[in-house]
Amino acid sequence: AQKVTQAQTEISVVEKEDVTLDCVYETRDTTYYLFWYKQPPSGELVFLIRRNSFDEQNEISGRYSWNFQKSTSSFNFTITASQVVDSAVYFCAPPRNMLTFGGGTRLMVKP
Amino acid sequence: DAGVIQSPRHEVTEMGQEVTLRCKPISGHDYLFWYRQTMMRGLELLIYFNNNVPIDDSGMPEDRFSAKMPNASFSTLKIQPSEPRDSAVYFCASKGSYEQYFGPGTRLTVT
Repeated sequence: AQKVTQAQTEISVVEKEDVTLDCVYETRDTTYYLFWYKQPPSGELVFLIRRNSFDEQNEISGRYSWNFQKSTSSFNFTITASQVVDSAVYFCAPPRNMLTFGGGTRLMVKP
Repeated sequence: DAGVIQSPRHEVTEMGQEVTLRCKPISGHDYLFWYRQTMMRGLELLIYFNNNVPIDDSGMPEDRFSAKMPNASFSTLKIQPSEPRDSAVYFCASKGSYEQYFGPGTRLTVT
């Protein structure tokens, strides 16, 4: 089966706190891609990052970083010094990126 | 590029009426997806096309739903007859080599 589990349905933090969103995936593929998307309150779905399964280096983009660990089938997303504008639903997309995304993790950053 | 274009952005209709949602994918993308998003079920894949051919329609809820892709630049999702439980946001997405890019969605309300 190709699927992801985002066990955290909702997270609430205060601005400037660091927060990590967990993603555990399942796949039988030997090579695959993993993705994160953001859905802000305005409703659009925005692509954030793509990672290839044979590249386990952490990815950093400004305040955003991603930790990919093949050994634990996890692809976690950390926001450093969170801001109110980070409030959104975040989806970790299944390998192959063609399946049901599920409910995601709703992040609320309070001022 | 204008991104994925969906129309209408909002649709309010009465139960029993036919509803047609439209999507123009990003030029050059050979995959097109239709998703439905509700609070209860999250972001569900309904159907996807590759090179205008339907590949997997297992997510289409029932025979009232149909989707077509007559050419590489246009797809429709039709609901006939519509029911209140069809109320949701419907997203179209297209994909080239890797990640999907989503349209702004159509918010459908069936009264």
